[in-house]
Amino acid sequence: DVKVTQSSRYLVKRTGEKVFLECVQDMDHENMFWYRQDPGLGLRLIYFSYDVKMKEKGDIPEGYSVSREKKERFSLILESASTNQTSMYLCASRKAGPHTGELFFGEGSRLTVL
Amino acid sequence: AQRVTQPEKLLSVFKGAPVELKCNYSYSGSPELFWYVQYSRQRLQLLLRHISRESIKGFTADLNKGETSFHLKKPFAQEEDSAMYYCAVIQGAQKLVFGQGTRLTINP
Repeated sequence: DVKVTQSSRYLVKRTGEKVFLECVQDMDHENMFWYRQDPGLGLRLIYFSYDVKMKEKGDIPEGYSVSREKKERFSLILESASTNQTSMYLCASRKAGPHTGELFFGEGSRLTVL
Repeated sequence: AQRVTQPEKLLSVFKGAPVELKCNYSYSGSPELFWYVQYSRQRLQLLLRHISRESIKGFTADLNKGETSFHLKKPFAQEEDSAMYYCAVIQGAQKLVFGQGTRLTINP
């Protein structure tokens, strides 16, 4: 059974704190993604990674950074959390190449910034 | 850049009635389109993709290049179809761009 695992289901942080969201996949997928999910706005891409040590900005990268040191792990970092980063964060992975479009998602990490 | 628009945030139909969730996309090259679904307390998962031309759980979606649409349809809605539905398009052969989502509620 394929699996994308996000380390924290629920987090509560204070404004200005540094936040790490971890994601691990066991499918040997090259591509990994971080989205945030907000009501009425759908899923918006924050960052994605084609492969190890490679990253590319998505549509809303401001205030975020990522790390991909190993193929199976993709971390999202909030350097200084702000209240407008309160959201559900979804990690996903996908095999590289054309017509392999299925994304496999984690269960999500709900972050509340006070 | 490819964009996806789902005009309805909420859609409510009665059990047994037909359902159609609308999706329009901006055209750039040959689009590859998907529908994803998120049931209550479950993770987001693929429902169907246009290149497969398949029917999943009674749902179908036809790519209409003339209208740049990829509407999701089911002739007879069931209560278990209640969920959040997202239309998505591949951009640049690597990343998926999602629409705003439609929350479908099937009333008994």
